[in-house]
Amino acid sequence: GAVVSQHPSRVICKSGTSVKIECRSLDFQATTMFWYRQFPKQSLMLMATSNEGSKATYEQGVEKDKFLINHASLTLSTLTVTSAHPEDSSFYICSARDSRGGKYNEQFFGPGTRLTVL
Amino acid sequence: TQLLEQSPQFLSIQEGENLTVYCNSSSVFSSLQWYRQEPGEGPVLLVTVVTGGEVKKLKRLTFQFGDARKDSSLHITAAQPGDTGLYLCAGAETNAGKSTFGDGTTLTVKP
Repeated sequence: GAVVSQHPSRVICKSGTSVKIECRSLDFQATTMFWYRQFPKQSLMLMATSNEGSKATYEQGVEKDKFLINHASLTLSTLTVTSAHPEDSSFYICSARDSRGGKYNEQFFGPGTRLTVL
Repeated sequence: TQLLEQSPQFLSIQEGENLTVYCNSSSVFSSLQWYRQEPGEGPVLLVTVVTGGEVKKLKRLTFQFGDARKDSSLHITAAQPGDTGLYLCAGAETNAGKSTFGDGTTLTVKP
């Protein structure tokens, strides 16, 4: 149980294009999902908290118009990197918290998406 | 702002050795999680501790939550190459809030 998928696993795009990353909870419902960015050999950096049916909450320094988040259902959140530039290249990871029993803040992570912007 | 300090940042040991990773904060946490991440993958939840002084064992891994719920440790006995990875602690002040992650400990176990 508690499986989270992410798609695509890898994406290479040209500078100026937009890229959409999907995060799905496969066997549970997730009112709350999180989006992280990770640089090599570093910890996770929280970008935003995605809440089903409402606007995402962005961390300080994260441009909401640059990183669009949509959480339209209890099992799907999407992150769209708009007008991507090489500095946006990174490993993006989502996580989900089980709506039923997430009382201890346990998060279940997707496998990550490696974005490379040329 | 919560701050979770994890140490050591890097650790390289031989197979069979023991090690301890520490996670410290000035904040009190309602719960604390330990995750392990392999390169190119997402973190995997190892354990959650919620009670001050709690000790949990997972095979060769022993997790401890400080009495004041401000710190935690992960001890690995007889490390194996399969234990290699990035270990992350994460704490939350409230059960419904976001978690703060430590900087991570990169463990390499050499055969």
